[in-house]
Amino acid sequence: EAGVAQSPRYKIIEKRQSVAFWCNPISGHATLYWYQQILGQGPKLLIQFQNNGVVDDSQLPKDRFSAERLKGVDSTLKIQPAKLEDSAVYLCASSLELNQPQHFGDGTRLSIL
Amino acid sequence: AQTVTQSQPEMSVQEAETVTLSCTYDTSESNYYLFWYKQPPSRQMILVIRQEAYKQQNATENRFSVNFQKAAKSFSLKISDSQLGDTAMYFCAFIGAGKSTFGDGTTLTVKP
Repeated sequence: EAGVAQSPRYKIIEKRQSVAFWCNPISGHATLYWYQQILGQGPKLLIQFQNNGVVDDSQLPKDRFSAERLKGVDSTLKIQPAKLEDSAVYLCASSLELNQPQHFGDGTRLSIL
Repeated sequence: AQTVTQSQPEMSVQEAETVTLSCTYDTSESNYYLFWYKQPPSRQMILVIRQEAYKQQNATENRFSVNFQKAAKSFSLKISDSQLGDTAMYFCAFIGAGKSTFGDGTTLTVKP
């Protein structure tokens, strides 16, 4: 089966600019996760969708981050405006259902200048 | 809120030997799931092993096994016959009430 697809792989922007990431989960996977992974740390959950509904967005900085999962399939994560501390790898993962093992994409490495 | 703690930032082991990585967690949930994931350098995160909290038997997957102590909220990973390809960052993860939390990882280096 095809894995979780993410794009772009790398992105370099200046602070205060905006950026968007895209994720296409494994076909049939109801649950989709966005994580922020800062170098040397574990993934931090930003937002979790079950189909097209939000399960958990308690750690999403809503003043600058937004995410949507239209039609319960692919998803976009946006940052506007970006800050220096947003430099990280943004990982997308999907699972068949809640509580099931997650399958990860390759991530998007974001650098803020 | 649930938390996951991995107290060993870095570990090393000689090839063919056995190593154990520690993980403790805190939760008020009674039904939950625990996972170990492996993230090789510059490569994708992949599942190593999973454990359902309602199962008393420890999970085993080839050279990988866990020691799950529910009362102590401990979930360690044992890697037997370590191989050079096991060099990676290992993350312990908890899912309870559908919500996911990862530890900060242990960097494991397997030495030839």
